[in-house]
Amino acid sequence: AQSVAQPEDQVNVAEGNPLTVKCTYSVSGNPYLFWYVQYPNRGLQFLLKYITGDNLVKGSYGFEAEFNKSQTSFHLKKPSALVSDSALYFCAVTEGGGSYIPTFGRGTSLIVHP
Amino acid sequence: ETGVTQTPRHLVMGMTNKKSLKCEQHLGHNAMYWYKQSAKKPLELMFVYNFKEQTENNSVPSRFSPECPNSSHLFLHLHTLQPEDSALYLCASSQEGQGGETQYFGPGTRLLVL
Repeated sequence: AQSVAQPEDQVNVAEGNPLTVKCTYSVSGNPYLFWYVQYPNRGLQFLLKYITGDNLVKGSYGFEAEFNKSQTSFHLKKPSALVSDSALYFCAVTEGGGSYIPTFGRGTSLIVHP
Repeated sequence: ETGVTQTPRHLVMGMTNKKSLKCEQHLGHNAMYWYKQSAKKPLELMFVYNFKEQTENNSVPSRFSPECPNSSHLFLHLHTLQPEDSALYLCASSQEGQGGETQYFGPGTRLLVL
């Protein structure tokens, strides 16, 4: 069975500071990992994903995430936060060769203060 | 943003009404999904269709009835709903493969059951 955990319901950061949104996962085989963002009154929007290769994945809007197999983590990062980054962030996982249906985390609300 | 469309965007209905939610994807995908997103709860997968065949039904009450007439259209028929069914209903699509496929979400229908 596959699962994903986002340990923080909310992350607060000042504009211009680096941000990290945490995600850990559990799968039996090789993980495929995703980050999605949801702005108010909108659907989820794809940010980036890790399938294979370089552990550091770069995505939209300056976001990146680092796959860490030993720590089973896939934390989302950005060097300098913007107020417009304030949104709900979801981590998701599927398993290579397994179900194509992703399991989503509970979501983390990112609030960037001016 | 326009790859997956949902109508209506907002819906208010009484418990005795019958209504339908519509989703259309313009991405040539072969899998479509209904999710329920309630405040302070994880994203709930309701139904999955792959090549128009229902492959997942996550113990959803029978007052929700999905229909997938072709790989581009997905409906969710609603009847005798309860106030706790009030939520944001999200449609998504993807190209089913070996895993690692990105899901594309519509903007959602905000449903209020009175």
